[in-house]
Amino acid sequence: RKEVEQDPGPFNVPEGATVAFNCTYSNSASQSFFWYRQDCRKEPKLLMSVYSSGNEDGRFTAQLNRASQYISLLIRDSKLSDSATYLCVVTMEYGNKLVFGAGTILRVKS
Amino acid sequence: SQTIHQWPATLVQPVGSPLSLECTVEGTSNPNLYWYRQAAGRGLQLLFYSVGIGQISSEVPQNLSASRPQDRQFILSSKKLLLSDSGFYLCAWSVLGGENTEAFFGQGTRLTVV
Repeated sequence: RKEVEQDPGPFNVPEGATVAFNCTYSNSASQSFFWYRQDCRKEPKLLMSVYSSGNEDGRFTAQLNRASQYISLLIRDSKLSDSATYLCVVTMEYGNKLVFGAGTILRVKS
Repeated sequence: SQTIHQWPATLVQPVGSPLSLECTVEGTSNPNLYWYRQAAGRGLQLLFYSVGIGQISSEVPQNLSASRPQDRQFILSSKKLLLSDSGFYLCAWSVLGGENTEAFFGQGTRLTVV
């Protein structure tokens, strides 16, 4: 079983739609969780951390469910500029090891 | 401010040739350092990570190796490249900060083995 799993998509949605991505992780001792965004042929960049209590940043909401070992990302009112690959990241080994999921492709169409 | 330098940006190498990719970080001390590889259309595969000088954790057994000769320098090497080594290689650094730990990436090296 992979350490971090994501639905690869692609998710094709119209502008203004709400879309949600899930990510599951296998190691119950995982410490921290993040969502990264990667544009085509570029390096990944941090989108948001996922706090235990859940957190929101504008149109983006991230949640963590430790009991079921998954995290989620909700994007409301999708914009064309949201088109990218969204990577789930989990830290292990006392936070020293960062493991990425394979990514979920989002395509927002007008 | 912290910066990460990774070079070269693009590399074309013949099968069987050696490889050396270098990554350096400025503006921080004792960072965790990482090497990832991304095949076309795929996710990031963690190859190596290091929590200190000379300390290397290998995630994928293959013909690659990594070294950390200085605190802010991380090198990825191969003695003989394979076609399957082609991909986008990314170096990253982080400093532990719990929920605020963030990894910063270099701009990557696009390696094509021919």
